[in-house]
Amino acid sequence: AQSVTQLDSHVSVSEGTPVLLRCNYSSSYSPSLFWYVQHPNKGLQLLLKYTSAATLVKGINGFEAEFKKSETSFHLTKPSAHMSDAAEYFCGYQAGTALIFGKGTTLSVSS
Amino acid sequence: EAGVAQSPRYKIIEKRQSVAFWCNPISGHATLYWYQQILGQGPKLLIQFQNNGVVDDSQLPKDRFSAERLKGVDSTLKIQPAKLEDSAVYLCASSSGQTNTEAFFGQGTRLTVV
Repeated sequence: AQSVTQLDSHVSVSEGTPVLLRCNYSSSYSPSLFWYVQHPNKGLQLLLKYTSAATLVKGINGFEAEFKKSETSFHLTKPSAHMSDAAEYFCGYQAGTALIFGKGTTLSVSS
Repeated sequence: EAGVAQSPRYKIIEKRQSVAFWCNPISGHATLYWYQQILGQGPKLLIQFQNNGVVDDSQLPKDRFSAERLKGVDSTLKIQPAKLEDSAVYLCASSSGQTNTEAFFGQGTRLTVV
């Protein structure tokens, strides 16, 4: 069975500092993993998706994630946080055409 | 390109009442999803349609929840009777149905059951 675990429910950073949102996965085969972002009162938006083409996946708004099979991780990073990055972030996997989400990490950015 | 449309945006009902939500997916998208997102949690898949057929409804509480997608386009999700624990945001999403394509989400309907 597949699953994802978001290791932090809340992450706080200062504007201009790096962002790290952690996600571990469990799968008996190569998974299709993704990160979505949810801004207040807005719909979920795809940030990036891993589909085995490349282990380092670049997404929108300067975010990227690296698939590490040895660590069963798919952490989301950004070199420099902006105030507009404050939102809820969801790691998840695709099972067939169904999307299964983790519990989410709230990112707070202070000035 | 128009996005996924949902209505209403907000709904407040008393427990044991019924409620219905409507979703209009992106034109041409074969796959439609309904998710339930309880405050502080990730979205949970309730039901997935491929055209007008159900692909997965294993987590739909069928004693009170029902959904349909007539003609493989619009969809409605109904709750009857509602319980306090049904308070959540109900999200609709659609995708082309091809493997590894992006799912696009609507803004959701926030349901409060009092």
